[in-house]
Amino acid sequence: AQSVSQHNHHVILSEAASLELGCNYSYGGTVNLFWYVQYPGQHLQLLLKYFSGDPLVKGIKGFEAEFIKSKFSFNLRKPSVQWSDTAEYFCAVNAGAEAAGNKLTFGGGTRVLVKP
Amino acid sequence: GAGVSQSPRYKVAKRGQDVALRCDPISGHVSLFWYQQALGQGPEFLTYFQNEAQLDKSGLPSDRFFAERPEGSVSTLKIQRTQQEDSAVYLCASSLASIASEQYFGPGTRLTVT
Repeated sequence: AQSVSQHNHHVILSEAASLELGCNYSYGGTVNLFWYVQYPGQHLQLLLKYFSGDPLVKGIKGFEAEFIKSKFSFNLRKPSVQWSDTAEYFCAVNAGAEAAGNKLTFGGGTRVLVKP
Repeated sequence: GAGVSQSPRYKVAKRGQDVALRCDPISGHVSLFWYQQALGQGPEFLTYFQNEAQLDKSGLPSDRFFAERPEGSVSTLKIQRTQQEDSAVYLCASSLASIASEQYFGPGTRLTVT
């Protein structure tokens, strides 16, 4: 069975600081990887996704993530955060192209608080 | 350009009551998923439909949980004889295809069982 772990449950940082959120997964086959964000009072939104190709993926709002297959990792980064990045971030994985009906397996989430 | 909608947004049920949660996916989306999100945790998969066919219900926690999508569009998640441990946010998501396709989430229904 797939599992996803996010190393930090809570992160507090100041505006303009750099952010990196860790995500590791366990699955032996081809995977699709996602980062979702949930802003306060809003629903889950897709930040970025990796299906194949360049392992460095750029998403919305200046976020990027790097897929390192050998480390089973898909860490999220942003060089300079803003107060509006305060949210909960979820890493998610599903089986790759060989499996249809790709249910997502989520990590436990990381709450990020950016202080103005 | 409507997204995924869910109703009701909030539901309070007394233990033992039956509840029905509705999901309206994005028009034309083939796949529909239900997830359960307990407080402070990530969403967990419940069940999956491709059109009207329920292809995976491995995440349903008990036989009190039942989902349907009779015409391949709107879906209903029903919970019979609710228990306190059923209290959670129930999320619905839809995707355009069945393989390698991102999922779009609705706002969720927050169920509280008293």
